[in-house]
Amino acid sequence: QSVLTQPPSVSGAPGQRVTVSCAGRSSNIGEGYDVHWYQQLPGQAPKLLIYGNNNRPSGVPDRFSGSKSGTSASLAITGLQAEDEADYYCQSYDSGLSGSVFGTGTKVTVL
Amino acid sequence: QVHLVQSGTEVKKPGASVKVSCRASGYTFTADYIHWLRQAPGQGPDWMGSINPDTGGTNSAQKFRGRVSMTTDTSITTAYLELSRLRSDDTAVYYCARGRVYGGSPLFDFWGQGTLVPVSS
Repeated sequence: QSVLTQPPSVSGAPGQRVTVSCAGRSSNIGEGYDVHWYQQLPGQAPKLLIYGNNNRPSGVPDRFSGSKSGTSASLAITGLQAEDEADYYCQSYDSGLSGSVFGTGTKVTVL
Repeated sequence: QVHLVQSGTEVKKPGASVKVSCRASGYTFTADYIHWLRQAPGQGPDWMGSINPDTGGTNSAQKFRGRVSMTTDTSITTAYLELSRLRSDDTAVYYCARGRVYGGSPLFDFWGQGTLVPVSS
């Protein structure tokens, strides 16, 4: 069961900006735990995309950015490209469950 | 660079056990936790637990306690996940991942390629 809630899908034309939301609660994001984001291409393992709310690992384009406020977080993709079509998951820590929790996942479609 | 290589597909019947291996290379194996996650068809990742290769200490999600065992062999930089009393809803791709902590929240910066475990009678 996923503790963090994301929209099932978002879409945009090439070059547009899209955002993916991630809603948590007071025992995870709202308690101050950082949010990380993963990109999963079909048939592949998830790949770390954003860590610590808004930091990009080496090699991740600066078209990807993250933010966090209160009990939620969001991922933004600017200048959408065909290769960005994938599933995206947010992840944080939940003190009530004493473990890591993931979002329900969002499929980003490039029109 | 960091690589995690997992064992191959395991087809199992309900009630059986499965053991998945994860061989790590490219970093100091005892310096970082290894986490195990699984992803059922059409679902998001689900965290199962973690092991500290330096001490052998483990922590698992409550839903798996009593059925999951995580171990390491530091001589061959390999981690193992064993899940017992398999059910059909354990059908999933099982992943190992290297863990770091940032802002109090674990993150998974390198992942294995995944091991498919179908459970069916």
